[in-house]
Amino acid sequence: SQQGEEDPQALSIQEGENATMNCSYKTSINNLQWYRQNSGRGLVHLILIRSNEREKHSGRLRVTLDTSKKSSSLLITASRAADTASYFCATDAAGGSYIPTFGRGTSLIVHP
Amino acid sequence: GAGVSQSPRYKVAKRGQDVALRCDPISGHVSLFWYQQALGQGPEFLTYFQNEAQLDKSGLPSDRFFAERPEGSVSTLKIQRTQQEDSAVYLCASSFFLGDDTQYFGPGTRLTVL
Repeated sequence: SQQGEEDPQALSIQEGENATMNCSYKTSINNLQWYRQNSGRGLVHLILIRSNEREKHSGRLRVTLDTSKKSSSLLITASRAADTASYFCATDAAGGSYIPTFGRGTSLIVHP
Repeated sequence: GAGVSQSPRYKVAKRGQDVALRCDPISGHVSLFWYQQALGQGPEFLTYFQNEAQLDKSGLPSDRFFAERPEGSVSTLKIQRTQQEDSAVYLCASSFFLGDDTQYFGPGTRLTVL
């Protein structure tokens, strides 16, 4: 079963535009992580946000977390063609085993 | 090593064959995870090791799936009597410790069962 669900399932934008992806989850969490997966490759960790944090930045990435709505968003600013990939959120349930549960992902295409 | 490695990268098996998938984690990483990723889906947890101990195997879909990490480093995921529904990418990840930490993923093994 998958706890996190990303939205939209697919996103197509032009280079230079911003891309926003959302993740909703069902149960209380310890933390939420975002990963990127290029076609045919493994996942690459992007950013981790803890349940007591509301916003984090890393380069062109901005992640927000709203625990009252059980949702998170990933914003990629000034997108590049190289950002084309699938993006997954992963949560680990509070009081659970710290094993992350992944959503189905958002497929992002950035057109040059 | 530089990262998590997996072999083979691609495996084609006839239905009923046994397969073994190997994972070499980052040196010194205590935790090792196996995931199954179907086409168009996110990774689904299979099993987890802390050193050589298999602490959670709740995600293994059937008793045809078996994983081991005998010396606390390299791990092998074995699938017996493969079936078509086993076709997927099998991902291995390692982390320094279980908990609030980053997982480092290997490139995966794409298994196709004919």
